[in-house]
Amino acid sequence: EAGVAQSPRYKIIEKRQSVAFWCNPISGHATLYWYQQILGQGPKLLIQFQNNGVVDDSQLPKDRFSAERLKGVDSTLKIQPAKLEDSAVYLCASSLDSGYNEQFFGPGTRLTVL
Amino acid sequence: GQNIDQPTEMTATEGAIVQINCTYQTSGFNGLFWYQQHAGEAPTFLSYNVLDGLEEKGRFSSFLSRSKGYSYLLLKELQMKDSASYLCAVRDRSSGSARQLTFGSGTQLTVLP
Repeated sequence: EAGVAQSPRYKIIEKRQSVAFWCNPISGHATLYWYQQILGQGPKLLIQFQNNGVVDDSQLPKDRFSAERLKGVDSTLKIQPAKLEDSAVYLCASSLDSGYNEQFFGPGTRLTVL
Repeated sequence: GQNIDQPTEMTATEGAIVQINCTYQTSGFNGLFWYQQHAGEAPTFLSYNVLDGLEEKGRFSSFLSRSKGYSYLLLKELQMKDSASYLCAVRDRSSGSARQLTFGSGTQLTVLP
């Protein structure tokens, strides 16, 4: 079974630039999550999708972050414009359903904002 | 919201047993998870507890006491490959989503030969 795929794996940009991350969850998984993990901290949930609908985006900085999952499969997370404090690893995870216990994480995208 | 506390770092010797503690405060507890994360890699699921008691899975066991807001992860027969960060995460029914996980900052375990 293929795991959660993410790209790119690494990205370096300057502040005020824009960046987008892509995630392809495990086939058949209805629930998709985007997390932000700052160095030395645990992952923090940014947004949760159930199929193509947003379940929770209460911790997403909506003035600069946006995410979509138009067809209920792949998802993109965008930052526009980026700030220095956005430097982190962005992890995508998926689970069979929102009630399922185990979340499967992708390898993450390491973003460095200069 | 939740407040999750776990030690920042621990060191143990190969072949030994180590216990990583996690305490939490939440208003609507709905499960506690342990994840392992090697440096530069994604977290991987280790265990899930929703009822009090011990869950054993090979060399790893996880314990939960809901009344005390306390869990521990027990690693036996430590191997060098167990050197990693161990993340405690709590699911809270009172958060925006009933299925949202809140992670602690992780405990960096170093296994020495």
